[in-house]
Amino acid sequence: ETGVTQSPTHLIKTRGQQVTLRCSSQSGHNTVSWYQQALGQGPQFIFQYYREEENGRGNFPPRFSGLQFPNYSSELNVNALELDDSALYLCAISRNSGGGTDTQYFGPGTRLTVL
Amino acid sequence: AQSVTQPDIHITVSEGASLELRCNYSYGATPYLFWYVQSPGQGLQLLLKYFSGDTLVQGIKGFEAEFKRSQSSFNLRKPSVHWSDAAEYFCAVGAQDGANNLFFGTGTRLTVIP
Repeated sequence: ETGVTQSPTHLIKTRGQQVTLRCSSQSGHNTVSWYQQALGQGPQFIFQYYREEENGRGNFPPRFSGLQFPNYSSELNVNALELDDSALYLCAISRNSGGGTDTQYFGPGTRLTVL
Repeated sequence: AQSVTQPDIHITVSEGASLELRCNYSYGATPYLFWYVQSPGQGLQLLLKYFSGDTLVQGIKGFEAEFKRSQSSFNLRKPSVHWSDAAEYFCAVGAQDGANNLFFGTGTRLTVIP
């Protein structure tokens, strides 16, 4: 049981504000990935953290940033929010074995609405 | 670059009928392939995965998928659909080396009618 949790569940912000989303798990999976899922779309990879460092990034601007802590929990920070940032943000945990994509287990997501 | 195509945006089947959801991928080498299911307002649940070996893989909830290299496909099947299978289904591809992220298709929404 991976027990991935995300907080908060829902969030409403206004344009230009900053937001922090959190992800944690009960297991010892050492890699955390963040995805953005716009309405009616599949998830898009934002970035991944392994050993507290960014380990790959998708096509997202620098105002999307993250952290991973020694206990493997993670934060996603978004600055200068734009209306298009409204989406479901998903975190996924996996084990980095050095052999490519490992199975990723997803949390329930945080629904962000930007007004 | 990896990409995934799910040609069917929405499929409606009767309860008890068989189901096949299509997935085609683009990747330069043998990919890792996944199917996830998402209920409304929820995260993604892993149904099954293919890494290597037998090209027919079994998953949870009675689902199976077949990897066909010649067709670059990884279609999901279920012999008899239950009303609780109504959800959004996503196919995803990952690299066998290097980056550890997934590329997702746009999903297929399944409606089950009694």
